[in-house]
Amino acid sequence: AQSVTQPDIHITVSEGASLELRCNYSYGATPYLFWYVQSPGQGLQLLLKYFSGDTLVQGIKGFEAEFKRSQSSFNLRKPSVHWSDAAEYFCAVANPGSARQLTFGSGTQLTVLP
Amino acid sequence: KAGVTQTPRYLIKTRGQQVTLSCSPISGHRSVSWYQQTPGQGLQFLFEYFSETQRNKGNFPGRFSGRQFSNSRSEMNVSTLELGDSALYLCASSDDYTGVKEYFGPGTRLTVT
Repeated sequence: AQSVTQPDIHITVSEGASLELRCNYSYGATPYLFWYVQSPGQGLQLLLKYFSGDTLVQGIKGFEAEFKRSQSSFNLRKPSVHWSDAAEYFCAVANPGSARQLTFGSGTQLTVLP
Repeated sequence: KAGVTQTPRYLIKTRGQQVTLSCSPISGHRSVSWYQQTPGQGLQFLFEYFSETQRNKGNFPGRFSGRQFSNSRSEMNVSTLELGDSALYLCASSDDYTGVKEYFGPGTRLTVT
């Protein structure tokens, strides 16, 4: 069965600093990979997705993620964090060929200091 | 284009009761998925509907059921509520080509007392 690990429960960064959120997955082949963000009282919003091809994926709000097959990782990065980025971030995987059933990581809560 | 809407937003029920939650997908989307979010178990897939048919089901007891109507609106039902059913229930819709869930609804916060 597929699984997703987000090793960092909580990360604190200063506004303007760079950010990297870690995600490792367990799957027999290359799955579909996703990053979502959830603000308090809101549903999830898709930041970016990887299906195949270029391993560096650009998303919305200035986020990017890099797929590394050898490390089974799909880390999310942002060069300069804004206070509005404070939220919870979820990595998710799905079987290739279908994004219909997502398996989520446990989430990383991001706090941004002024 | 209006997003995914869920009603009600908040609900308090008593153990043993049943509850019905509603989800209206983005216009033109025919696939609706439901997820349960709890602090202990995180986000877990419940089921997915497409054209009024359940296509996928997660590992939840039979007390959890759902349906989809011809206008793609979906409902989920939980019978014989237990305290552990307290959670945020999220709905997401997608077009059928990719199945990618770009937007989720704000969720229904269910509290079972």
